[in-house]
Amino acid sequence: GAVVSQHPSRVICKSGTSVKIECRSLDFQATTMFWYRQFPKQSLMLMATSNEGSKATYEQGVEKDKFLINHASLTLSTLTVTSAHPEDSSFYICSLKGGRESGYTFGSGTRLTVV
Amino acid sequence: QQPVQSPQAVILREGEDAVINCSSSKALYSVHWYRQKHGEAPVFLMILLKGGEQKGHEKISASFNEKKQQSSLYLTASQLSYSGTYFCGTAAGGGADGLTFGKGTHLIIQP
Repeated sequence: GAVVSQHPSRVICKSGTSVKIECRSLDFQATTMFWYRQFPKQSLMLMATSNEGSKATYEQGVEKDKFLINHASLTLSTLTVTSAHPEDSSFYICSLKGGRESGYTFGSGTRLTVV
Repeated sequence: QQPVQSPQAVILREGEDAVINCSSSKALYSVHWYRQKHGEAPVFLMILLKGGEQKGHEKISASFNEKKQQSSLYLTASQLSYSGTYFCGTAAGGGADGLTFGKGTHLIIQP
């Protein structure tokens, strides 16, 4: 399957600041990547679909102006949490899909804590 | 639409078997099974695409019913390493869609 690298693994930021999370596909050219959020003891919730060279598609209820997604190349997608607040503290995970019969490979995740 | 997973939690002794179910009110394009350890990203177990499909090996296998609305994950002769939370993820279409995950099944294996 595809290999995905996500950075940083942990970040603590002050309320009101912005944080950028990077997701890299190391061995696969990904026209599409996915961003999920997972609160403690809950399931993964799809936030948005990142499309190379075009605008991201956001799930209902996800603020596109708060969670900025950029997918400028076939190997890199970034998620920027703008004006972060404590309620944005969560585990953010990126993912991409290999071929039709391949599963989705996940990055190692980013634990964001907003203080 | 979020698939319904059951049970919510299972406690087993090492060597016992478990079945985790995932169901949807609508036919699905595919079902994906993942295991997640605490603080880590989910790890892909298997994908099922065809109605009536069964795949995996003797220890961990899964099925997808003919109507493509229900899938089960079978864990046989469980090992301590099987502990974690199991999620089914479903895709409604065949395009590049993200997955909708069930709420998860928390599996604890005791020695």
